[in-house]
Amino acid sequence: DIQMTQSPSSLSASVGDRVTITCRTSQSISSFLNWYQQKPGKAPKLLIYAASSLQSGVPSRFSGSGSGTDFTLTISSLQPEDFATYYCQQSYTTPPTFGQGTKLEIK
Amino acid sequence: EVQLVQSGAEVKKPGESLKISCKGSGYTVTSYWIGWVRQMPGKGLEWMGVIYPGDSDTTYSPSFQGQVTISADKSIGTAYLQWSSLQASDTAMYYCARRVMATRLGLDYFDYWGQGTLVTVSS
Repeated sequence: DIQMTQSPSSLSASVGDRVTITCRTSQSISSFLNWYQQKPGKAPKLLIYAASSLQSGVPSRFSGSGSGTDFTLTISSLQPEDFATYYCQQSYTTPPTFGQGTKLEIK
Repeated sequence: EVQLVQSGAEVKKPGESLKISCKGSGYTVTSYWIGWVRQMPGKGLEWMGVIYPGDSDTTYSPSFQGQVTISADKSIGTAYLQWSSLQASDTAMYYCARRVMATRLGLDYFDYWGQGTLVTVSS
């Protein structure tokens, strides 16, 4: 299986901050990388697919970049509703694997 | 409106069997894969497997192959996740999700998710 390493595991930030979460894979996955947001007690929600494509309905403050083995999710200006856990997922090989998650907390 | 509606929470004893469901609506269910994702208490997401309701083609993660059975009834647009003998370690939230897949375009992701089914296995 492809190993996923997300960093940081947790992050404290303030409303209005710019935040970047990184996902690194153990082998090249081209652009087969997705990002999900999960709030406590809720199902995950797709934010970004194919590394940089914004899912319909997702605010434009979210953006994704990268290819190969290194990817980033950026939130340009944190809003109160963005405090959640974020997961990357590679879909280049079966089984698709998720990162361990990054918990974004209010400072 | 695309919706995936899962069956309700279950409390079972070790050794019992269980089948949970996921009903799709608002789209052509036979044209999209449906996947299952496990989330153990306080832990991350694990891809279990997927099924194509149109022909019941199924792919499992090696970690779950032989441990669960994924099936579908295309006539009612429903996918299932089944255990023949539950263990305490199966205690988790289980999500179904619609898979968008277009490999040549570099697309493979879950775009709509069910609300989750909590399975608790305890003696």
